[in-house]
Amino acid sequence: EPEVTQTPSHQVTQMGQEVILRCVPISNHLYFYWYRQILGQKVEFLVSFYNNEISEKSEIFDDQFSVERPDGSNFTLKIRSTKLEDSAMYFCASVGSGNTEAFFGQGTRLTVV
Amino acid sequence: AQKVTQAQTEISVVEKEDVTLDCVYETRDTTYYLFWYKQPPSGELVFLIRRNSFDEQNEISGRYSWNFQKSTSSFNFTITASQVVDSAVYFCALSEARSGGSNYKLTFGKGTLLTVNP
Repeated sequence: EPEVTQTPSHQVTQMGQEVILRCVPISNHLYFYWYRQILGQKVEFLVSFYNNEISEKSEIFDDQFSVERPDGSNFTLKIRSTKLEDSAMYFCASVGSGNTEAFFGQGTRLTVV
Repeated sequence: AQKVTQAQTEISVVEKEDVTLDCVYETRDTTYYLFWYKQPPSGELVFLIRRNSFDEQNEISGRYSWNFQKSTSSFNFTITASQVVDSAVYFCALSEARSGGSNYKLTFGKGTLLTVNP
């Protein structure tokens, strides 16, 4: 069964450092998403990406965040200067043209210390 | 703005009991999608169901069933004969119905932690 792969599974970083979270979506999918879940809270939409550009972003997705698909396979989320409140589980999701289901990755737990 | 309310924060049942997880939503969209996801202790999000707002038929899949009532803006989820493996956080979610794969901008509820005890 196809799956979305996220790396690393857990990253610890110091406040102010840049982090890059990586996602390998399912190969023929066209729509990509990042979501965030602060520990014990609900899952929140960050950004959607289609046709090599951001299609929509939330208020959370400020100038500290960026996404790209540098090589046509990886889909990355970069946080330029991490803050303590960026500590969360980050989920990547991809959707195919058939549009019946979003496949979520297993998440990257980011801990900012 | 869209909103999803899962009023039950935690539910604890004994194995083989039936359990219903409530979900109430708010949206101004005339067409939309409703979802349920399961998040087991391992942390991943597991898709359970997507329902179009046009389709109010109830759905059954094995021990799982869903009751969609547009009149009360509810999309409740029932697990029949619960098992220990059903222990997880369950999220209800809502999205605007759009073309292609762009309708996965989901608004999630806060989730219900279900614990099934042996």
